[in-house]
Amino acid sequence: GEDVEQSLFLSVREGDSSVINCTYTDSSSTYLYWYKQEPGAGLQLLTYIFSNMDMKQDQRLTVLLNKKDKHLSLRIADTQTGDSAIYFCAEIPLLGGSYIPTFGRGTSLIVHP
Amino acid sequence: DTGVSQDPRHKITKRGQNVTFRCDPISEHNRLYWYRQTLGQGPEFLTYFQNEAQLEKSRLLSDRFSAERPKGSFSTLEIQRTEQGDSAMYLCAIQRHSRQTPGTGELFFGEGSRLTVL
Repeated sequence: GEDVEQSLFLSVREGDSSVINCTYTDSSSTYLYWYKQEPGAGLQLLTYIFSNMDMKQDQRLTVLLNKKDKHLSLRIADTQTGDSAIYFCAEIPLLGGSYIPTFGRGTSLIVHP
Repeated sequence: DTGVSQDPRHKITKRGQNVTFRCDPISEHNRLYWYRQTLGQGPEFLTYFQNEAQLEKSRLLSDRFSAERPKGSFSTLEIQRTEQGDSAMYLCAIQRHSRQTPGTGELFFGEGSRLTVL
C-alpha cells in the first residue's frame, strides 16, 4: 500500500501492556518514529528506531521493527492513564528523493482504571 | 518548548474570507514544514521550505493555498476564499540536521493553528 497504516483505537486497562502496530511503505526509510499527541497539543516525538535495529527499549517503551514485513510496533509496559493519547507512526521515505516525513492516521489509546 | 511558535492558536472565520497563519521557528533548523490535520487523521503534508526556498508545493490542497518564507525566518500559510472543508488544524514543524549533526530527522511541532470556517 501507499499509506502508513495503523489501527484506529486501542483500549487497555491501567497496568496492562499496550501494543500499537503500524505498517509503513518504504523499506529504505532510515528512521522510523512514534509520535504522541495529547488533546489540544502538537505532536511530540516519543521514540524512534534506526532501520538497522530490530528492537529498541527505552524505559517502559519497546519498539520492534520487522523490515521484511515493513512492520513497526510500540509496546508500552504498565500503561498509565497519562498514556492516553493518539500515537502516530511515521517514516521518511527515501523513494522519490524528497524525504518528506509521512504519518499514519494515528491510534487513539484509551486507558481505563 | 519545541522551539516552534504558531499564531493564532484558533481562528474562526466566515466562508469566503482569507486567513493567514504564522509560524515562528525559534530554534536553529534546516527545514520548515506545513501540515494539515483533520479530525481522526494524521498530519497531511502541504509544503516545506529549506531556508527561504520552497522546495515542494505540489501537495498544497488547491490554488487557494499559498505559503511564504521571506528571508528564511518565519513562515506564513494563507488560505484564500475559505471553504468549510478547510476547517482543520494547521501544523508547522521544523527539522534540524546538518552534516555536523545529522540527527535523526525528527520533527519539532508547534501547537498548531485551529481553523473553523462557518
